Amino acid sequence: DGGITQSPKYLFRKEGQNVTLSCEQNLNHDAMYWYRQDPGQGLRLIYYSQIVNDFQKGDIAEGYSVSREKKESFPLTVTSAQKNPTAFYLCASSIDRRTYYGYTFGSGTRLTVV
Amino acid sequence: GQQLNQSPQSMFIQEGEDVSMNCTSSSIFNTWLWYKQDPGEGPVLLIALYKAGELTSNGRLTAQFGITRKDSFLNISASIPSDVGIYFCAGPLNYGGSQGNLIFGKGTKLSVKP
Repeated sequence: DGGITQSPKYLFRKEGQNVTLSCEQNLNHDAMYWYRQDPGQGLRLIYYSQIVNDFQKGDIAEGYSVSREKKESFPLTVTSAQKNPTAFYLCASSIDRRTYYGYTFGSGTRLTVV
Repeated sequence: GQQLNQSPQSMFIQEGEDVSMNCTSSSIFNTWLWYKQDPGEGPVLLIALYKAGELTSNGRLTAQFGITRKDSFLNISASIPSDVGIYFCAGPLNYGGSQGNLIFGKGTKLSVKP
């Protein structure tokens, strides 16, 4: 079955560490996105990519980095520069940026700073 | 910038009750989307609306695209326990560097009455 897979489901980070969240899709979608979700908040866009080897900053990109070396993969690195990284992170994909009906989300990664 | 305001922020339901929630903006949207998020999971698309005045149903769910294009409504009839979760409205940005990307409301959280 086609879908979008995020791993790990839970992740713990020590102060000063970089951690990488994985996002893989086998839907043959061109566009991929990373969102951050905090309790009582909506989804805020961190980074998005429309095509391989291209990505753009979203509304809250500071302290995060991404890469898009393959169509299927869009990993997110939470760097030590992100001062408040504890949150639920969601990856999504769509056929292209304007196919809103085809926005598919992964199951999320919950990151906690310890 | 464009924002989506959802109300109510939270509500308690008793099985069998009808539920109503809405989403408003000071800006015009050309597409309205309604998603549901179960605890610890990613959002799933429920209904997509593409035309002002459009009324669309998906089982017990009915959503409407407001005539002014600045609001949308979601109704759930005869609620059941599995309706609990967070309901988000979303729409594509109309301008700026992130034009085309979805923005999300902060959500309406449905819980079961104790």
